[in-house]
Amino acid sequence: QVQLQESGPGLVKPSETLSLTCTVSGGSIRGYYWSWIRQPPGKGLEWIGYVYYTGSARYNPSLKSRVTVSVDTPKNQISLKLSSVTAADTAVYFCVRDRSSGYWPGEIDYWGQGTLVIVSS
Amino acid sequence: DIQMTQSPSTLSASVGDRVTITCRASQSFSNWLAWYQQKPGKAPRLLIYKASNLQSGVPSRFSGSESGTEFTLTISSLQPDDFATYYCQQYNDYPWTFGLGTKVEIK
Repeated sequence: QVQLQESGPGLVKPSETLSLTCTVSGGSIRGYYWSWIRQPPGKGLEWIGYVYYTGSARYNPSLKSRVTVSVDTPKNQISLKLSSVTAADTAVYFCVRDRSSGYWPGEIDYWGQGTLVIVSS
Repeated sequence: DIQMTQSPSTLSASVGDRVTITCRASQSFSNWLAWYQQKPGKAPRLLIYKASNLQSGVPSRFSGSESGTEFTLTISSLQPDDFATYYCQQYNDYPWTFGLGTKVEIK
């Protein structure tokens, strides 16, 4: 059974960089697309961006200038960096896997439990 | 971006009721639409994919359908475990976008 576990600081100061890691166990990251999705407290879901196991990435245009998503294949980890954070970036951050292939889109089949990051001084 | 307008935002229902939740897309696309269930403090769970396909392990009282740009999630007979928030998501194009959610409450 594939499991995803997010980790990282739960508190980040305004203007600093939010850094999170997602460790995948029970399966390989090879062959899959991995995304970060966030959910502000009491609100809906926002897709941040994906990375393919090869390292190619794509981001939500609303965050593109501040986001980097990368992969560490030997460690089976995916990382998220979000720079110049403000209170609006306070959210639960989820790491997810989807079932996309090179030929068709795929839905999210695995989610991490999520980690709350609060932006505050 | 494809906007997903989900309704209602809140729904009060009783055990045994038939429940319908709708998502309308801002533009037409193929049936790359998923429905998720989320309970407080938990990650969402996939219920339906490709608009009408039931994810493995999901009870058959859940079903999905589409008509043009309108997608529907139906729970045929609401059970106590179904009180939760439901989200639609289009994955036809990036950026992926979600509906704002429908909270199903106990009447």
